[in-house]
Amino acid sequence: GAVVSQHPSWVICKSGTSVKIECRSLDFQATTMFWYRQFPKQSLMLMATSNEGSKATYEQGVEKDKFLINHASLTLSTLTVTSAHPEDSSFYICSAILRTDTQYFGPGTRLTVL
Amino acid sequence: KNQVEQSPQSLIILEGKNCTLQCNYTVSPFSNLRWYKQDTGRGPVSLTIMTFSENTKSNGRYTATLDADTKQSSLHITASQLSDSASYICVVSAITGYALNFGKGTSLLVTP
Repeated sequence: GAVVSQHPSWVICKSGTSVKIECRSLDFQATTMFWYRQFPKQSLMLMATSNEGSKATYEQGVEKDKFLINHASLTLSTLTVTSAHPEDSSFYICSAILRTDTQYFGPGTRLTVL
Repeated sequence: KNQVEQSPQSLIILEGKNCTLQCNYTVSPFSNLRWYKQDTGRGPVSLTIMTFSENTKSNGRYTATLDADTKQSSLHITASQLSDSASYICVVSAITGYALNFGKGTSLLVTP
């Protein structure tokens, strides 16, 4: 149980385009999901906390207008990278909470912006 | 400031050998400590979780220890296999909120 999926697993896009990444909790309902970004050989960095039915809470330094988060249901959160640029290339990972202290991570999405 | 420090940064061992990874933290008030395994290009997968009252937890060939007094944890891998090659991340939670405090990980390479 407690499986979190992400789609797509990798994406390549041109600079200036927008990319949407989906995060789904497959066998449980998650009122809270998290979006992380991970650069090579670095640890995960929290970008935002996504709550079902309300606005996401962004970490300091993360542009909310660039990284749009929508948590439309208890099993789905989406991250849209708008007007992507090469510096946005990274590994994006989501997680979902099953209980208050248990985060289950998705497999990640590799974004490459050309 | 809540911090999690891991050592060594990287480690190379021969297949079949044992190894121990270290994690020191300053997170307070402490809730729990997890060790995750992250394969390259994949999301982290939980290996063990320990709360304040637990000082050891095993998951197959993985054994984690916790000393809440000194705020130190270790992950011991027994009889390493090639598939153990990955990054091992120590993650500490505080009682307040959902925030996770991540270590930078130890990159382990197991060679034939």
